[in-house]
Amino acid sequence: ILNVEQSPQSLHVQEGDSTNFTCSFPSSNFYALHWYRWETAKSPEALFVMTLNGDEKKKGRISATLNTKEGYSYLYIKGSQPEDSATYLCAYINAGNNRKLIWGLGTSLAVNP
Amino acid sequence: GAGVSQSPSNKVTEKGKDVELRCDPISGHTALYWYRQSLGQGLEFLIYFQGNSAPDKSGLPSDRFSAERTGGSVSTLTIQRTQQEDSAVYLCASTDSPSGGNEQFFGPGTRLTVL
Repeated sequence: ILNVEQSPQSLHVQEGDSTNFTCSFPSSNFYALHWYRWETAKSPEALFVMTLNGDEKKKGRISATLNTKEGYSYLYIKGSQPEDSATYLCAYINAGNNRKLIWGLGTSLAVNP
Repeated sequence: GAGVSQSPSNKVTEKGKDVELRCDPISGHTALYWYRQSLGQGLEFLIYFQGNSAPDKSGLPSDRFSAERTGGSVSTLTIQRTQQEDSAVYLCASTDSPSGGNEQFFGPGTRLTVL
């Protein structure tokens, strides 16, 4: 069974705080890791697709790192804003398994103004 | 079109009726995925198409669920004899990379309510 775990399940921060959350996945036979942001009443939107161990990607105030040897990825948000409030999902792809995305349950972030 | 579209956006049906949900992927995207999110649950994989064939149907919850894709484009998810537990948001996504290395683009979803 291939499991993807995200922590924490939910998070409340104040505007301006920096925050981070974790995605854990099996370290064997890794192919890729995706991060998505899912705002209420909208569709999930891709943030990053990461494939290489040690990868670090950045989009504005959001960045992500990848450690495929130990099976985790961190997502960081610097200076959180209310518009960052959303559920952040990660999805892992095993090199076998028809390249299907295995999704975590997400971290729900609420940023209070 | 510019993005993935789905129809209808909302569907309310009575238990036991059949429903058809449609997904129109981004033009040229070869891979198409169906997911659903039930209340309080995460994103659940249903089925994946590469072109018109479905290499992975493992997520379909029962034989009441079926899907097809024609012309390598539009896909239809059919639920027969709907049950209340089928109530969920059904999302479709497409990508130009069947390998999983590229991001998926999601449609707005169809909210299905079975009374």
